[in-house]
Amino acid sequence: AQSVAQPEDQVNVAEGNPLTVKCTYSVSGNPYLFWYVQYPNRGLQFLLKYITGDNLVKGSYGFEAEFNKSQTSFHLKKPSALVSDSALYFCAVRDILVTGGGNKLTFGTGTQLKVEL
Amino acid sequence: KAGVTQTPRYLIKTRGQQVTLSCSPISGHRSVSWYQQTPGQGLQFLFEYFSETQRNKGNFPGRFSGRQFSNSRSEMNVSTLELGDSALYLCASSLGGPSSSYNEQFFGPGTRLTVL
Repeated sequence: AQSVAQPEDQVNVAEGNPLTVKCTYSVSGNPYLFWYVQYPNRGLQFLLKYITGDNLVKGSYGFEAEFNKSQTSFHLKKPSALVSDSALYFCAVRDILVTGGGNKLTFGTGTQLKVEL
Repeated sequence: KAGVTQTPRYLIKTRGQQVTLSCSPISGHRSVSWYQQTPGQGLQFLFEYFSETQRNKGNFPGRFSGRQFSNSRSEMNVSTLELGDSALYLCASSLGGPSSSYNEQFFGPGTRLTVL
């Protein structure tokens, strides 16, 4: 079965500093990986995805993620953090074993990002 | 383009009751998935509907059911509510066609269900 791990429950960073939110995955076959962000009392917002191609994926709001097959990682990064980036971040992998195609995402446990002035 | 909408946003029920939640996907999206989010279990997949058919199902008891209408709107029902069913229920839509593997899902704001 597919799985993702987010080893850090919380990440603290100063505004203007680079940020990294870690994610590792375990899949059978090619991974389809996603990052989502959740603000309080809101649903999840899509940030970016890796399907194939370049290992560096660029997404919304200045976020990017680096896919590393040898380390089975898909870390989320941003060169300069903003206070408004403070939120809960989820890494997810699409379950390729679902029948008839379709969407089933397996999510990590989430990482709370706190950006301070 | 309007996003995914879910109604109601908040619900309070008592144990043993049943509840129905509604989700309207983004126009043109044919796949609707449901997820349960709790502090203890995190985000868990409930089921997915595509073209009015359940395409995938997660590991939830039969008390959890759903359906999809011809306009792609979806409902999920929970019967005989238990305290542990208190959660944020999220609906997500996507195009859902043959390339669904590559499509991201767009989430609604969720329905917060509290079971007393």
